[in-house]
Amino acid sequence: DAGVIQSPRHEVTEMGQEVTLRCKPISGHDYLFWYRQTMMRGLELLIYFNNNVPIDDSGMPEDRFSAKMPNASFSTLKIQPSEPRDSAVYFCASSLRWELFFGEGSRLTVL
Amino acid sequence: AQSVTQLDSQVPVFEEAPVELRCNYSSSVSVYLFWYVQYPNQGLQLLLKYLSGSTLVKGINGFEAEFNKSQTSFHLRKPSVHISDTAEYFCAVVVAGSYQLTFGKGTKLSVIP
Repeated sequence: DAGVIQSPRHEVTEMGQEVTLRCKPISGHDYLFWYRQTMMRGLELLIYFNNNVPIDDSGMPEDRFSAKMPNASFSTLKIQPSEPRDSAVYFCASSLRWELFFGEGSRLTVL
Repeated sequence: AQSVTQLDSQVPVFEEAPVELRCNYSSSVSVYLFWYVQYPNQGLQLLLKYLSGSTLVKGINGFEAEFNKSQTSFHLRKPSVHISDTAEYFCAVVVAGSYQLTFGKGTKLSVIP
């Protein structure tokens, strides 16, 4: 059974550009989480969904960040416009109960 | 709100020696506790979890952890480490009934040959 699939694995972009990160959760999981990991701040929860509905987006740092989950098998995290301080590894995770299954992450570098 | 403190950011240990990675949490309500491991350039994967029942929890790769409610701790232990255990370890807590995990800052375990 495939795990959580994220794309792209690596993204290098210039400041001001739009970035879209994608996630396919494990089939049957009803929770989906977006985390950001940096050396300075560790793992931060950005937003999570239950049955495709956003439950808590209080971790989204600014209005430049938005996330959607149009159906149970797909979610996106968008940054527009991107800034150098957005450089981080972004993880998507899905769960049925409390065990989170993480994707391999999308490493974003904003120049 | 709950919080997690991992007291050691880095722990070097010789191969085949025992190791303990410390985790303390704060919460005024019942919690569930987890340890995750992250190998380089990978996502996190679950090592073990405490939801209820026995306070000694056994996980994968020979790791175990003990829930101590009075000391609000959930320390991770392994009696004999291998080179392959070199990774970063994260303690996490969630309020019972919630799904919003809070992670600690992580502890980097380096196993020295």
